[in-house]
Amino acid sequence: KQEVTQIPAALSVPEGENLVLNCSFTDSAIYNLQWFRQDPGKGLTSLLLIQSSQREQTSGRLNASLDKSSGRSTLYIAASQPGDSATYLCAVALRRGAQKLVFGQGTRLTINP
Amino acid sequence: GAGVSQTPSNKVTEKGKYVELRCDPISGHTALYWYRQSLGQGPEFLIYFQGTGAADDSGLPNDRFFAVRPEGSVSTLKIQRTERGDSAVYLCASMPGPGSYNEQFFGPGTRLTVL
Repeated sequence: KQEVTQIPAALSVPEGENLVLNCSFTDSAIYNLQWFRQDPGKGLTSLLLIQSSQREQTSGRLNASLDKSSGRSTLYIAASQPGDSATYLCAVALRRGAQKLVFGQGTRLTINP
Repeated sequence: GAGVSQTPSNKVTEKGKYVELRCDPISGHTALYWYRQSLGQGPEFLIYFQGTGAADDSGLPNDRFFAVRPEGSVSTLKIQRTERGDSAVYLCASMPGPGSYNEQFFGPGTRLTVL
């Protein structure tokens, strides 16, 4: 059974710092991996999707990497801002047909002004 | 165009009652998913539709839960004889169709509280 773990569970850093969020998964037979952002009481906003054949994806100040063989992904946030404060979730998509997502528990990120 | 919408945004009901939660996916998206998110946890898969048919319902916790998508667009999640443990945020997501390059787009969720 696929399990996804995110470390740390919570992170608080001063504004302007670069930071890394970690995600690990137990079964490397994934279809793709998505990083999401969730603001309190809101739904999920997709940030980046990495296909299983890719190593990384970038969007603005965000960079996500994928090492499928070791079952790891990282989300790098450059020059953090208070508006980046949110919970970040990673999820792996299982087999081609259903592509249902298995989520980690999330990392709650606080950027202090 | 419009994103995924879900109604109601909040639903409070009493134990034992029946509830329906509605999801309106992005136009043209053939794949639709329901997830459930308990407080402090990541979402958990419930059911997946490809078109009108439920292609994978392995995440439904028991037979009190049922979902339909009769015309391949709007979906309704139905919960019978609600229990306090059903309290959670129910999220709907849609996707253009199968494909490794396709991402799931989520709605804002319905927060269900069973008293």
